[in-house]
This record gives sequence, structure tokens and C-alpha cells, in this order.
Amino acid sequence: GNSVTQMEGPVTLSEEAFLTINCTYTATGYPSLFWYVQYPGEGLQLLLKATKADDKGSNKGFEATYRKETTSFHLEKGSVQVSDSAVYFCALRPQTGANNLFFGTGTRLTVIP
Amino acid sequence: DVKVTQSSRYLVKRTGEKVFLECVQDMDHENMFWYRQDPGLGLRLIYFSYDVKMKEKGDIPEGYSVSREKKERFSLILESASTNQTSMYLCASSPPSWDATNEKLFFGSGTQLSVL
Repeated sequence: GNSVTQMEGPVTLSEEAFLTINCTYTATGYPSLFWYVQYPGEGLQLLLKATKADDKGSNKGFEATYRKETTSFHLEKGSVQVSDSAVYFCALRPQTGANNLFFGTGTRLTVIP
Repeated sequence: DVKVTQSSRYLVKRTGEKVFLECVQDMDHENMFWYRQDPGLGLRLIYFSYDVKMKEKGDIPEGYSVSREKKERFSLILESASTNQTSMYLCASSPPSWDATNEKLFFGSGTQLSVL
């Protein structure tokens, strides 16, 4: 079946620290992969995506590379800011047969000044 | 910008009550979804709909039903609310056929339901 395993949080970092949130997936074929972010009091919004192997998604200084060989899509940022404090969700959409997304459990990030 | 609007931000109901959660989108999207979000469990799909009057069960449909009478509106119904249905409920929509440039869900800001 389809599933996403995401690094458990919470994660607390100081401002300007390096961030990695691990995400691995199980799916057949070549799913599309996503990172969504949920800021306090808001719904989820798309942060970045990759739709084929070796693609790199990037947005707002965040990056993630679609690694087929390790079935991973780890989220990274070189220098986090207080405004990055949020919950981050890794998700996949199967290559065929579904229009919905399968989400990981979410990782809460808190960045302190 | 696409807007997905959920009718209530917070809702408190009693056990056994019938509860309606409403969701409206303004982008003429065919697909609409209801998820529930619980700490440590992430988002789990309850139901989705790919057209008016069409619905499909998600991963956790028990205790819920849905209604899609108009394209823009997707309602989640708890026939007899129970305490284990206390949760954050998120509605989302998407166009019918995703492609690499248009592939994402648009989410509402959520309804925090407490069943006492």
C-alpha cells in the first residue's frame, strides 16, 4: 500500500540553524511527492513538490530531492527563521488510481531567536 | 486565489448530536476531500467526492457521511457525534486531472470540533 513515514518531532532549533526533516515513502511506481506546511491557526499549504525521480523541489529557501533509490524526500533549509515555526507534512500521490494524497504524521518545528 | 471556506473555526457539540460541517470552494474544482487531523496520526482521509452527488470512502469513513448536492459545496455529517470524533477537520479541493504544473490540494483553515 501507500504510506509516508516522517521524522517524529517536535524539533526545536535556534535561528539560522540548519534544518533536516526526514521523510521516506512506500508506493509502487513513481508517485508525486510533496511537502505541505501548516502555520498556527491555518490550513495546510503547499511548500514544494517533485513529480519525478531526481527532481528537486524548492521554495522559500526550503529544498527536497526525490530519491527513488532510497524512497526518500527529505526537507532541508540552510538557515531557519522564527517565521518558519510550523508543522510540516510530507505527502505522496500515487502514480495511478487515486486523486487524494497520503500524508505523514507531521513534524512540529519551533525556531527560537 | 483559490478559496476554500469552512463554516466554523470552532464547534462544541454534545454526544449524540447530529453535526454538519460545511465546506465551500470558489474555483469550480471537481474534487473535494474531508480529512481529520489528530496529533501523532497526521491527516487521515474520511471521504472524497469527484463530482456532484458522487462520493468515495476514504480510510476512516465509519461514523461519518457526506453530501455533495452542488459542485462548490461538500458537507461532512456526523450522524450521532461521539467523543472520539473530537478532532480538527480539514476540507480540501483540487482540479480533476492533476499535472505537474497544477498538482496540489487547496485546504481550508479547519474546524476544531469538540464533542462533550
